[in-house]
Amino acid sequence: AQSVSQHNHHVILSEAASLELGCNYSYGGTVNLFWYVQYPGQHLQLLLKYFSGDPLVKGIKGFEAEFIKSKFSFNLRKPSVQWSDTAEYFCAVTEDYKLSFGAGTTVTVRA
Amino acid sequence: DVKVTQSSRYLVKRTGEKVFLECVQDMDHENMFWYRQDPGLGLRLIYFSYDVKMKEKGDIPEGYSVSREKKERFSLILESASTNQTSMYLCASGAPSGYGYTFGSGTRLTVV
Repeated sequence: AQSVSQHNHHVILSEAASLELGCNYSYGGTVNLFWYVQYPGQHLQLLLKYFSGDPLVKGIKGFEAEFIKSKFSFNLRKPSVQWSDTAEYFCAVTEDYKLSFGAGTTVTVRA
Repeated sequence: DVKVTQSSRYLVKRTGEKVFLECVQDMDHENMFWYRQDPGLGLRLIYFSYDVKMKEKGDIPEGYSVSREKKERFSLILESASTNQTSMYLCASGAPSGYGYTFGSGTRLTVV
């Protein structure tokens, strides 16, 4: 069965620091990869997605992610975070029709 | 914009009650999903459907069933609610190509 692992449960950093969140998946076939964000009190929103092509994907709000097939990874990055990036971040992977999520990483940005 | 609407934002039910959670999408998507979201566990897939009257078990189907009689509507049923089913329930829909999935606002269910 597909599994998605997010390495960090909670990350705390200061404004302007760089952010990298790890995500690994277990399925060896063709996958589609996603990062979602959930701001406090709001519903899930799509940050970025990867289906094929350039493994470096740019999303909204200055986020990007890199797909490394050999490592089964899809790590999320942002060079300089803002207080408004405080949220929970979820990595997700599709295998055929099934969309599976990691446990999420809570990011707290201190002003 | 794709809209996924969940019928209730908050729900309180008693142990043993039969509970229906409704989800409607307006973009003619084939795929629909039900998840529950719990702190520290992320989103866990309960059931999904890739077509009308078709359903597949997710990772935690026990205690739940689903119904998809029409393409736009996907219902989650708790046959006999228990306190361990207290959670946030999220519905999502998307096309088979997987070009992104849209989520509803969620239903916070409390079973007392």
